[in-house]
Amino acid sequence: KAGVTQTPRYLIKTRGQQVTLSCSPISGHRSVSWYQQTPGQGLQFLFEYFSETQRNKGNFPGRFSGRQFSNSRSEMNVSTLELGDSALYLCASRRDSGNTIYFGEGSWLTVV
Amino acid sequence: GQQLNQSPQSMFIQEGEDVSMNCTSSSIFNTWLWYKQDPGEGPVLLIALYKAGELTSNGRLTAQFGITRKDSFLNISASIPSDVGIYFCAGQLWYGGSQGNLIFGKGTKLSVKP
Repeated sequence: KAGVTQTPRYLIKTRGQQVTLSCSPISGHRSVSWYQQTPGQGLQFLFEYFSETQRNKGNFPGRFSGRQFSNSRSEMNVSTLELGDSALYLCASRRDSGNTIYFGEGSWLTVV
Repeated sequence: GQQLNQSPQSMFIQEGEDVSMNCTSSSIFNTWLWYKQDPGEGPVLLIALYKAGELTSNGRLTAQFGITRKDSFLNISASIPSDVGIYFCAGQLWYGGSQGNLIFGKGTKLSVKP
């Protein structure tokens, strides 16, 4: 059974640009959530999508947005990139009613 | 954002030794999870705990969900070099019947000397 797949794994962007990250959940999982990991702040929740609807949202500015498609695949977008947005962005999925959350390998974003 | 208090921050031990780490919170959680993260990779689930007082093992790993629902610990027995990595605890909150997001500790970095 394939795990959570994230693309791209690594990318470098310039301040002011925007970026889109993609996530394919485990087959059968309808919930997808996104986390940002930095050395200073650790793992921080961004948002969760379930059946194409945003269900929960963390304390991040509006520059961070996401969406989920009918096949449960999800994308997150960060606009007007800042140096502080450099981080590992992790996607996680889970079953409809299960508690266990499984993570992908993450997308490393560097903003220069 | 809200975070759990995880300790110790780092540990440097000899191969074969036992390891213990814990997480505490001022909030009650419905679920406690323990993850391990290797450099450049995403967190991998080790143990999930769903009931207060629950004690669960996974090989050499044992974790417990505290009775107060505000803490959890993870023990690793007879450590080996491949146990090296960062261990995270995570608590999960409920929002009106639906399962909320994970709140993470800052991690315990484990180094094992052969």
